[in-house]
Amino acid sequence: AQKVTQAQTEISVVEKEDVTLDCVYETRDTTYYLFWYKQPPSGELVFLIRRNSFDEQNEISGRYSWNFQKSTSSFNFTITASQVVDSAVYFCALSTSYGKLTFGQGTILTVHP
Amino acid sequence: DAGVIQSPRHEVTEMGQEVTLRCKPISGHNSLFWYRQTMMRGLELLIYFNNNVPIDDSGMPEDRFSAKMPNASFSTLKIQPSEPRDSAVYFCASSLGDRDVSSYEQYFGPGTRLTVT
Repeated sequence: AQKVTQAQTEISVVEKEDVTLDCVYETRDTTYYLFWYKQPPSGELVFLIRRNSFDEQNEISGRYSWNFQKSTSSFNFTITASQVVDSAVYFCALSTSYGKLTFGQGTILTVHP
Repeated sequence: DAGVIQSPRHEVTEMGQEVTLRCKPISGHNSLFWYRQTMMRGLELLIYFNNNVPIDDSGMPEDRFSAKMPNASFSTLKIQPSEPRDSAVYFCASSLGDRDVSSYEQYFGPGTRLTVT
């Protein structure tokens, strides 16, 4: 069975602070894919990144960066110099068979001005 | 390009009534997923279609729920009869995935907020 655990239920920061959202996953499959999605207050789910189990390179996209460590089964997400617009619920997800996404419970990020 | 389209965006109905939620996936996508989001249970996969064929409906709560995909551009999720515990946000998602579905990201619609009184 697959499981995704997001350690932080809620995080509150002040604008321009860096913030890291933790994600730990469990799977017995050797091939799998990890995702991060953002759910802003408007409610839609926005795809942010996909990473496969064979690619442990970290990735940076603007103020966003992702750290994938297979040894610790973690796929953490860092926002540098956070902004108010980053306030949202962030979901980490795991996909193994046929694309079924197993989501973590989400981390509510609030960025205060 | 248009994203995943869902209708209605909001639905309020009385217990016992039939509810039909609609979804138009992104053109060219082979896979379609229905999810339900609640505070208690988070995001749950209800059913998955690949090339219009239901592949796994193990997440469908009970016989009151049914889903169809008559063609590549349209899917429905029906609840009959509806109950207050069905109140949730229902998302439809689609992806390009065909053979290796798990490797493709899913694109979500805006969701339908269902309230059953």
